[in-house]
Amino acid sequence: KNQVEQSPQSLIILEGKNCTLQCNYTVSPFSNLRWYKQDTGRGPVSLTIMTFSENTKSNGRYTATLDADTKQSSLHITASQLSDSASYICVAHSGYALNFGKGTSLLVTP
Amino acid sequence: DTGVSQDPRHKITKRGQNVTFRCDPISEHNRLYWYRQTLGQGPEFLTYFQNEAQLEKSRLLSDRFSAERPKGSFSTLEIQRTEQGDSAMYLCASSSSEARETQYFGPGTRLLVL
Repeated sequence: KNQVEQSPQSLIILEGKNCTLQCNYTVSPFSNLRWYKQDTGRGPVSLTIMTFSENTKSNGRYTATLDADTKQSSLHITASQLSDSASYICVAHSGYALNFGKGTSLLVTP
Repeated sequence: DTGVSQDPRHKITKRGQNVTFRCDPISEHNRLYWYRQTLGQGPEFLTYFQNEAQLEKSRLLSDRFSAERPKGSFSTLEIQRTEQGDSAMYLCASSSSEARETQYFGPGTRLLVL
């Protein structure tokens, strides 16, 4: 069964601090791994996409890593801003469908 | 706005009623997806269209659910005889046929079944 597990479930950090979100996946066949940001009441927005041959991918203050051997990925957010408060969802792409994690709920406080 | 749009944004209905949601994808995208998301969970795949052809359906899509994309453009998702367990956010996404397609999501339709 395809599974995507994320940790922590929720996180609160002070504005300006860094944080790292984790994702473990068991998906077959594996096409690529994506991180999405979902604001409350909105649809997810893609942040990064990586195939098995890519180890790291950056998008501004967001840096994603992928270890295809251990099937782990992380999303590092640098110098957090209040607008980073959202749910961050790890998604493993297999075939037509996307396998979504439950997300990590991030709250950035002043 | 040339993104994915969904209508309505919110729907409240009584148990047993039928509801229909509409999704308008990005115009040049030939792939369209429906997902369901409940509170605290990630989206769950429901079904997928390439042009007007429905190519895959999840086991989550019971016989009360039906999706169409008659002209390969907009899509509708109908739920018949709604149940309280159908309460969720219904998300639509679209993508092109490129190998590393990115799915662009609409804002979702939030359904509440009383």
